[in-house]
Order: sequence, then structure tokens, then C-alpha cells
Amino acid sequence: SQQGEEDPQALSIQEGENATMNCSYKTSINNLQWYRQNSGRGLVHLILIRSNEREKHSGRLRVTLDTSKKSSSLLITASRAADTASYFCATDNDYKLSFGAGTTVTVRA
Amino acid sequence: DAGVIQSPRHEVTEMGQEVTLRCKPISGHNSLFWYRQTMMRGLELLIYFNNNVPIDDSGMPEDRFSAKMPNASFSTLKIQPSEPRDSAVYFCASRRELNQETQYFGPGTRLLVL
Repeated sequence: SQQGEEDPQALSIQEGENATMNCSYKTSINNLQWYRQNSGRGLVHLILIRSNEREKHSGRLRVTLDTSKKSSSLLITASRAADTASYFCATDNDYKLSFGAGTTVTVRA
Repeated sequence: DAGVIQSPRHEVTEMGQEVTLRCKPISGHNSLFWYRQTMMRGLELLIYFNNNVPIDDSGMPEDRFSAKMPNASFSTLKIQPSEPRDSAVYFCASRRELNQETQYFGPGTRLLVL
């Protein structure tokens, strides 16, 4: 069953703009991860944030985690056409990953 | 490193036929996961192995589904008999240790059951 739910379901932005997507989950977690999936491909791990962390950066990615609200956000800054993909949050509890439905991001040139 | 390898990449079969999907995890990885992705249900964990032993198969939808991991470098997911509702993309993923967080996904097998 899906633990995380992403919002929005779809996002269309202009190249150079920032993209923000949110993830809410239901139960306690060890960590939360974000993955990217390009059309017809497998998932690629982007970033992991542990339950005792509030914010993490990796290149153009910024992830926040609010365990009191059971929510996380992923910010992609200065988006590029290559960022067009689906983005999934996954909660990690008891060694299993539970994925949300994903946010489809389209970056227009 | 070749990454996680899955075969076949595409499979079209008729209802009632047996389907076998194959996965080779990254060398040195001790945990292996099978997922199914559909539009309706998203990504679902079917089963995972640690050191070739099935740890949790609660996600396996029915007795028609079975998975094996005879050695550290090979796993199969079998559907017998297959049904149209089994049509999905099946992903295999591996992880170095069960508690090492990053999972590495294969390219998936797109299954269509007619």
C-alpha cells in the first residue's frame, strides 16, 4: 500500500524556474527518500533525509522534512529540460520502501 | 558496474501462460526487491530477499506469483498462470545491506498479458 502521497500530481514550469513538490505520509519513518523516474526507465535515487534531519541539500535539490506534520518537500532550483520526469517520495520504515503516486514534472524550454 | 540487470525488457504473452522475469542484482549487494508499477496502484513492493532468503512476501498478490533467489547473483519472479490484470512494469532493485538505505533499480520488465 502507498504510504506517501505527493502533491501536486503534475507540474509544468518554464526552464529556469523552481519546482516544488510535497509529500505527506502516515506512519513513523526511519528516513524519507526521493527518486526520479524518466519515462520508460527505472527509478534513480536522488536524496535521502533522516528522521532527525530537517533540511538537506544536494546540488540543485533541497529537501525538507517535518516529522510533526509528517510531510516533506522537494525543491528543484533553476530547472532544466532534463529535469522532466516523475518524482516519487518513499518512506523507509523497517527496511521497506513505500512509494507515493508521484509528481510528474514537465520543464518547458 | 553494470547496475541491476533485468530480462526480458518487454514480454507479451497470452492469458494462462507462464511468465518468468529475471534479475541480476549489483555484485556485492545482499538485499533484493521486486516491485510492480501500474497506473492504478503505483509502485508496490512484492517481495524482498536478504542474503538470498525471502524476508517479506506480504506484497505478493496471489499464489500465482512466486519468487526465488537461488544464489546471490540471480532472482526470478514467476507468474503462473498469467492474467490480463498482471500487465504492469516489474522492477527489481538491490541494496548493499538490508539497512543501507539507497536502492538501485533495474530498467524494468514491461509485461503485457493479452
